[in-house]
Amino acid sequence: AQSVTQLDSHVSVSEGTPVLLRCNYSSSYSPSLFWYVQHPNKGLQLLLKYTSAATLVKGINGFEAEFKKSETSFHLTKPSAHMSDAAEYFCVVSLRSNDYKLSFGAGTTVTVRA
Amino acid sequence: GAGVSQTPSNKVTEKGKYVELRCDPISGHTALYWYRQSLGQGPEFLIYFQGTGAADDSGLPNDRFFAVRPEGSVSTLKIQRTERGDSAVYLCASSDGQRETQYFGPGTRLLVL
Repeated sequence: AQSVTQLDSHVSVSEGTPVLLRCNYSSSYSPSLFWYVQHPNKGLQLLLKYTSAATLVKGINGFEAEFKKSETSFHLTKPSAHMSDAAEYFCVVSLRSNDYKLSFGAGTTVTVRA
Repeated sequence: GAGVSQTPSNKVTEKGKYVELRCDPISGHTALYWYRQSLGQGPEFLIYFQGTGAADDSGLPNDRFFAVRPEGSVSTLKIQRTERGDSAVYLCASSDGQRETQYFGPGTRLLVL
């Protein structure tokens, strides 16, 4: 079985400062890992995904995440937050052998202060 | 092109009633998924269709829940004898094959009174 733990339920940053959203996973097998973002009243949107190629994954809107197998982590970062980054972020894992079944973390709410 | 659409966007019903939630996937996508998102939680997998058949329904919580996709496109999630605990946002996603990116709809917010 696989599971995801998002270490922060809420993160507040000032506009222009870095954003760090922490995610740890557990999986018996080689996982695929994703970050999705959910803006109010909109569908979930894929930010980026890791599927065993480069461990540093670049996504949309300036986000990137690093897969660290030794730490079982997949933290999401952005060097400079924008007001439009305020949203709910989900770390997601799936098994390579069962890759249609996404397992979501509980989510991290990001607020951006002007 | 158009994304995944879901109707209705909101549904309020009374305990014990029957409800149907509809999902229109992206045109041409063969795979379709249903998830349920309870308040303050991440979405949880319910069922996966490949074409017309349910390839994995292991996430359906009990036999009150049923989903169909008769022509391999539109899907309907059906809930019988609704309970207050069924209140949640029901999300639909589709992808162009099993291993491809899942594109999510905006969800149907179900409230059972």
